[in-house]
Amino acid sequence: DTGVSQNPRHKITKRGQNVTFRCDPISEHNRLYWYRQTLGQGPEFLTYFQNEAQLEKSRLLSDRFSAERPKGSFSTLEIQRTEQGDSAMYLCASRLDSWTEAFFGQGTRLTVV
Amino acid sequence: SQQGEEDPQALSIQEGENATMNCSYKTSINNLQWYRQNSGRGLVHLILIRSNEREKHSGRLRVTLDTSKKSSSLLITASRAADTASYFCATDENAGGTSYGKLTFGQGTILTVHP
Repeated sequence: DTGVSQNPRHKITKRGQNVTFRCDPISEHNRLYWYRQTLGQGPEFLTYFQNEAQLEKSRLLSDRFSAERPKGSFSTLEIQRTEQGDSAMYLCASRLDSWTEAFFGQGTRLTVV
Repeated sequence: SQQGEEDPQALSIQEGENATMNCSYKTSINNLQWYRQNSGRGLVHLILIRSNEREKHSGRLRVTLDTSKKSSSLLITASRAADTASYFCATDENAGGTSYGKLTFGQGTILTVHP
């Protein structure tokens, strides 16, 4: 257990449905990151929060994706109108600063059918 | 985009042997981290090595960093069947004044340790 918690662990949804994932970071970490990992690849950066502010978004994050981190604690990642290409593992990570370790959650595996 | 390139892509060894995985990257970095991932699970942090360090040890793990060659290696000594997993290097790019700490990963090395 790394201290970063993600829910749900698995999600199967029909194409066109909306899904929301949650990440609870290590409590003292003010930096929170979302990554996406497809089969056989390394994780790819999606977005970054410092406290409640979303400071960076990847071009991978299309208009159908939105992330929030109200009050700088937990974060949610929502995908609207899911497509089969959204099927992937969505990973959340937190770290204290850019000089220390990043700890990852167990991920949410999304399958769009 | 993937910055790191791990080599080899797959490695198969017998229990007790040593396993060496290499990682190359393209940009100037602040630090480099190695992670392990068991199938379908999250990433487990192994070691962080800073750009001004050349070698670091943790138990059976030894990581080296050569910033002049933009490369790192992970050595697992006396491997065990439980070490079977994918191993990733991840770099923190040195982006000047502002470093958000996002990581750029390679494609990973799949290590199989046979009992």
